[in-house]
Amino acid sequence: ETGVTQSPTHLIKTRGQQVTLRCSSQSGHNTVSWYQQALGQGPQFIFQYYREEENGRGNFPPRFSGLQFPNYSSELNVNALELDDSALYLCASSFLAGGEQYFGPGTRLTVT
Amino acid sequence: AQSVAQPEDQVNVAEGNPLTVKCTYSVSGNPYLFWYVQYPNRGLQFLLKYITGDNLVKGSYGFEAEFNKSQTSFHLKKPSALVSDSALYFCAVRDENFGNEKLTFGTGTRLTIIP
Repeated sequence: ETGVTQSPTHLIKTRGQQVTLRCSSQSGHNTVSWYQQALGQGPQFIFQYYREEENGRGNFPPRFSGLQFPNYSSELNVNALELDDSALYLCASSFLAGGEQYFGPGTRLTVT
Repeated sequence: AQSVAQPEDQVNVAEGNPLTVKCTYSVSGNPYLFWYVQYPNRGLQFLLKYITGDNLVKGSYGFEAEFNKSQTSFHLKKPSALVSDSALYFCAVRDENFGNEKLTFGTGTRLTIIP
């Protein structure tokens, strides 16, 4: 059974740029959720995708967008990067049925 | 709205002693409750969950948690702490009334086991 993987591991971007983060879900999982974890904080829900459709969104602006592909992998796109976007971005997959979410190792984004 | 409180930022326990990491929650419906552990520069690892049934839930690495509906608590426990248990612990809740699986996390408790 393959776990959740994310790429890249680390990323440095300049304010105003755009970034794409990628996630491959665990085998058999059809739901992907994205979280932002700022330094010293708990993860904050960004949005969730189920069968390629957005299935809930947290308190994040529209410049945070996502996609889910037929193989259930996912992308998180952030436009017009701001310094406060610097964080660990976590992807989690699950099988929609009240089960637990399994997290990837995260992508550390630094915006300068 | 759903929320989680972890009242202790830091918990220190001597190796071999029992440990407790506290968590309280607020949801409108029935809660789904989770504990995760995070090691430095790593993602979150699932420890255990409560969905329904027995109030005492057993999980990975000898951890267990007790669901208390009247006190809206879900404290994490272990009878005998190991130095390797030192990490950051997060409690999370999901409201069964929500159509999605949004997890709301607490701010985390740093557990340090002293040799």
